[in-house]
Amino acid sequence: DIQMTQSPSSLSASVGDRVTITCRASQSISSYLNWYQQKAGEAPNLLIYAASSLQSGVPSRFSGSGSGTDFTLTISSLQPEDFATYYCQQSSSIPPTFGGGTKVEIK
Amino acid sequence: QITLKESGPALVKPTQTLTLTCTFSGFSLSSSGVSVAWIRQPPGKALEWLALIYWDDDKRYNPSLKSRLTITKDTSKNQVVLTMTNMDPVDTATYYCAHRRLPFDYVYDYWGQGTLVTVSS
Repeated sequence: DIQMTQSPSSLSASVGDRVTITCRASQSISSYLNWYQQKAGEAPNLLIYAASSLQSGVPSRFSGSGSGTDFTLTISSLQPEDFATYYCQQSSSIPPTFGGGTKVEIK
Repeated sequence: QITLKESGPALVKPTQTLTLTCTFSGFSLSSSGVSVAWIRQPPGKALEWLALIYWDDDKRYNPSLKSRLTITKDTSKNQVVLTMTNMDPVDTATYYCAHRRLPFDYVYDYWGQGTLVTVSS
């Protein structure tokens, strides 16, 4: 299985901050990398697919980049509704695997 | 719009077989390219992909759980069923079904609300 490692596992930030979350794959996955947001008690919500494509309806303050093994999710200006846990996921091979999550908390 | 909803027992005993049903609307599992997957999440932990079924009845399983999983579909009822045998307390989790974001495989744009399954005697 391809291992997905996210960092940091948690972070504290203020409204308006620029936030960056990184994800590393244990082997090259080209651009088969997706990002999900999960709020407490809810199902995950697709934010970014194919490393950098914004899912319909997702605010433009979210962006993704990277290829190969190293990827980044950036929130350009953190909003109150963005406090949640974020997961990366590789869709390169079976089984699709998820990172351990990054919890974004209010500072 | 697309919706999915999971149903099944909230509590199962160790060694029992779990049967979960995903009932969906807003799409057809007989349309080319469509697939539905099952994904689970133990309390406070990360997500784990379990299985998927395609419109043409092709199936994929997580190799680590393949011997315990069976996924089927009933297109007329708009349902996907997952069975997991020999349940153990480590299988306690919220189980989600999810819709494939066409045309990308293993990417999920609509999810059910999830159903919590506790394995305990």
